[in-house]
Amino acid sequence: EVQLVQSGAEVKKPGESLKISCKGSGYTFTNYWIGWVRQMPGKGLEWMGIIYPGDSDTRYSPSFQGQVTITADKSINTAYLQWSSLKASDTAMYYCARRNYGGISERMGEYYFDYWGQGTLVTVSS
Amino acid sequence: SSELTQDPAVSVALGQTVRITCQGDSLRNYYASWYQQKPGQAPVLVMYGKNNRPSGIPDRFSGSNSGNTASLTITGAQAEDEADYYCNSRDSSGNHVFGTGTKVTVL
Repeated sequence: EVQLVQSGAEVKKPGESLKISCKGSGYTFTNYWIGWVRQMPGKGLEWMGIIYPGDSDTRYSPSFQGQVTITADKSINTAYLQWSSLKASDTAMYYCARRNYGGISERMGEYYFDYWGQGTLVTVSS
Repeated sequence: SSELTQDPAVSVALGQTVRITCQGDSLRNYYASWYQQKPGQAPVLVMYGKNNRPSGIPDRFSGSNSGNTASLTITGAQAEDEADYYCNSRDSSGNHVFGTGTKVTVL
């Protein structure tokens, strides 16, 4: 059974650093990209970035480039999302998700996120 | 950066049909995937590719694509379909983008 299990909720102060995790199991971790998604309270889903654990190739949304760092440790099937200096505006639920690829059909690429973590709630407050 | 636009909210009578649309340039090259999110829960994939449903998703959910628009249709909406729905697409930079989300209310 494919599972993505995220680390637990965090309460931090502004300026502190944080690293949250997403551990994959039930599949070959290095064969699938892992994406990170932010959801601020009462708001929609926002794309943050994605990493390929096989070689750590990483892409960031322009909105999050320089604000967070996405890494992966393939030896323990775990992806990470980290901040060096948190702000109150980082308060949100963060999800990881596995990206699958269905190939090309009628000249269109088929990408989708088939498994999601349960989410990690990050609260930043003084 | 790419954008995907959805109507903020739609309502549907129980048992009737509702269509949710998603518009954006990236949809000319990449299929949308669709996610259902209920309060307090993680998103769930309900549609992907040309018209593919993951295992366990009822066949009242269907998808279609035309030009820069993708659509998710619920035929015979049930009370349990009340949720927020988001489209997502890859873009040419290798990144992805989510739609603005549609709140579906079943009356």
